[in-house]
Amino acid sequence: QVQLQQWGAGLLKPSETLSLTCAVYGGSFSGYYWSWIRQPPGKGLEWIGEINHSGSTNYNPSLKSRVTISVDTSKNQFSLKLSSVTAADTAVYYCARGLIAVAGNGYYYYYMDVWGKGTTVTVSS
Amino acid sequence: SSELTQDPAVSVALGQTVRITCQGDSLRSYYASWYQQKPGQAPVLVIYGKNNRPSGIPDRFSGSSSGNTASLTITGAQAEDEADYYCNSRDSSGNRGVFGGGTKLTVL
Repeated sequence: QVQLQQWGAGLLKPSETLSLTCAVYGGSFSGYYWSWIRQPPGKGLEWIGEINHSGSTNYNPSLKSRVTISVDTSKNQFSLKLSSVTAADTAVYYCARGLIAVAGNGYYYYYMDVWGKGTTVTVSS
Repeated sequence: SSELTQDPAVSVALGQTVRITCQGDSLRSYYASWYQQKPGQAPVLVIYGKNNRPSGIPDRFSGSSSGNTASLTITGAQAEDEADYYCNSRDSSGNRGVFGGGTKLTVL
């Protein structure tokens, strides 16, 4: 049973850099997209970005200038850094395992089947 | 703004059937996945692919797709199904993930 355990600083001041790490236990690291998602208080889910085992990344264009996702395959861990945070970055941040595959008949499927418990990050002066 | 559109709220009487929909151009190429989120908890995958349920998800949950619309159907809704539901797919380029705005399901 794959589990994701995430950790990182929960209280930041404006302009600081958010840093979170997610460790993968009990499964293969390759073949998946390791993802970060966030949820501001009372709002919906926002996809932040993803990385595969070889280090190829995709980012949400709205955050791309401030986001870096990296991977350490030797430790089965991946990390999120978000620079120059403001109060608008206050949210619960989740890590998740994503999969994209060909479904056939011209379709693909994409889903995130394993999620971390979430880390609450508050940005306040 | 989200590239996937969901109704903000839906209600259903206990034991009845409810359909939650998600619209977006990328759904013509990607099957939507659906997540259930209860207050204070991480989202849980309930439907993926054409109509697949992860282990442990009750068979009253089903999915379907037609054109640019994906649907999550709960047949015989239970009180424990009251939650927020999010659809998820890739954007039209396939280069990033996107979520719908979420639907709050109330079981009456």
